[in-house]
Amino acid sequence: EDKVVQSPLSLVVHEGDTVTLNCSYEVTNFRSLLWYKQEKKAPTFLFMLTSSGIEKKSGRLSSILDKKELFSILNITATQTGDSAVYLCAVPDSNSGYALNFGKGTSLLVTP
Amino acid sequence: DTAVSQTPKYLVTQMGNDKSIKCEQNLGHDTMYWYKQDSKKFLKIMFSYNNKELIINETVPNRFSPKSPDKAHLNLHINSLELGDSAVYFCASSRSGPFEKLFFGSGTQLSVL
Repeated sequence: EDKVVQSPLSLVVHEGDTVTLNCSYEVTNFRSLLWYKQEKKAPTFLFMLTSSGIEKKSGRLSSILDKKELFSILNITATQTGDSAVYLCAVPDSNSGYALNFGKGTSLLVTP
Repeated sequence: DTAVSQTPKYLVTQMGNDKSIKCEQNLGHDTMYWYKQDSKKFLKIMFSYNNKELIINETVPNRFSPKSPDKAHLNLHINSLELGDSAVYFCASSRSGPFEKLFFGSGTQLSVL
């Protein structure tokens, strides 16, 4: 059975800090790893990673995948209160590929 | 225009009742999903339809029945609601085949009293 484990489960930082969120996975058939941000409502897509060592970047957020060690990290630099959210990591289901199997998320709170 | 829209946003009902949640996507996607998010924010797949055909049916009680009248719509009907069904239900869609990113609706908060 596919497994996605995120750490830490929750994190409180001050504005301006840099945070690193972790996601490790065990899957039978790896194709990609995805990061989502969930504020009050719908999870919104951040990144999809398929290749090891290639950093994806969007503003202050960046993410990288290590396929040998089976993990990914999501970095947020110069955090702002608007970054407060639950960050979800997911991998496509090994059997069908049609569903995403999510980790339990990291709840990030950025305080002023 | 909302890409994936679901109604209602909130649903409060008594145990034993039957209720439906509707979902529509205007993205032209072929695949639609229902996910359940529990109180600890854990998102779990329930069903997946590709071009109106059922692809995934996870271990979900028979009281839950999805229906896809066309590839832009995926509705969820729940019979004999139980307290444990209280959760947020998200509809999502993806472009075509497997391994695509998902676009989520804003969720339906179901509270069973």
